[in-house]
Amino acid sequence: LAKTTQPISMDSYEGQEVNITCSHNNIATNDYITWYQQFPSQGPRFIIQGYKTKVTNEVASLFIPADRKSSTLSLPRVSLSDTAVYYCLVGDWGANNLFFGTGTRLTVIP
Amino acid sequence: KAGVTQTPRYLIKTRGQQVTLSCSPISGHRSVSWYQQTPGQGLQFLFEYFSETQRNKGNFPGRFSGRQFSNSRSEMNVSTLELGDSALYLCASRPRDEYEQYFGPGTRLTVT
Repeated sequence: LAKTTQPISMDSYEGQEVNITCSHNNIATNDYITWYQQFPSQGPRFIIQGYKTKVTNEVASLFIPADRKSSTLSLPRVSLSDTAVYYCLVGDWGANNLFFGTGTRLTVIP
Repeated sequence: KAGVTQTPRYLIKTRGQQVTLSCSPISGHRSVSWYQQTPGQGLQFLFEYFSETQRNKGNFPGRFSGRQFSNSRSEMNVSTLELGDSALYLCASRPRDEYEQYFGPGTRLTVT
């Protein structure tokens, strides 16, 4: 399983765009990159997933460079409710034994 | 459609005891996975069941076991509890491979 490295914490003001970068130097050919969000006392919630280039959905964008050794989750115009821990996962999309790591704790400041 | 449910939500046990946690996946989901979450180790994969068979297992001792029933509901058992087993145990389900996992709220286990 490819391991991931993320910043432990980040702070941002409301309304700003937040970019969280994840390093995954040992990513394998079959691996996808997936981001989850977790609030206290809740299970993680799927945000976005991609394989290469750029993926966008209604809540976030995911940027993946050509070498796929890193990825960046972009949250546009964050609000206080975006305060949570964000996990970057790398693994075979068909596998369940995903490595979550310790995640990035995002704090949105009013 | 109801989400993943886990029971009980909170549990306090004594060292040496055993515990059984229950997970009901989303209707139609056949894959159920279990994770342990602690402040120090983060979220770690325990095992996955698909159609009543254990398909994948993480790096945990044999004290941790599980099973899945024909209705896809799953149970996780931990025997001879240790203080270090105190954690949030999360269950996740998905309909089949190639889909994201949907997590339940977890069971908070405290071992004293």
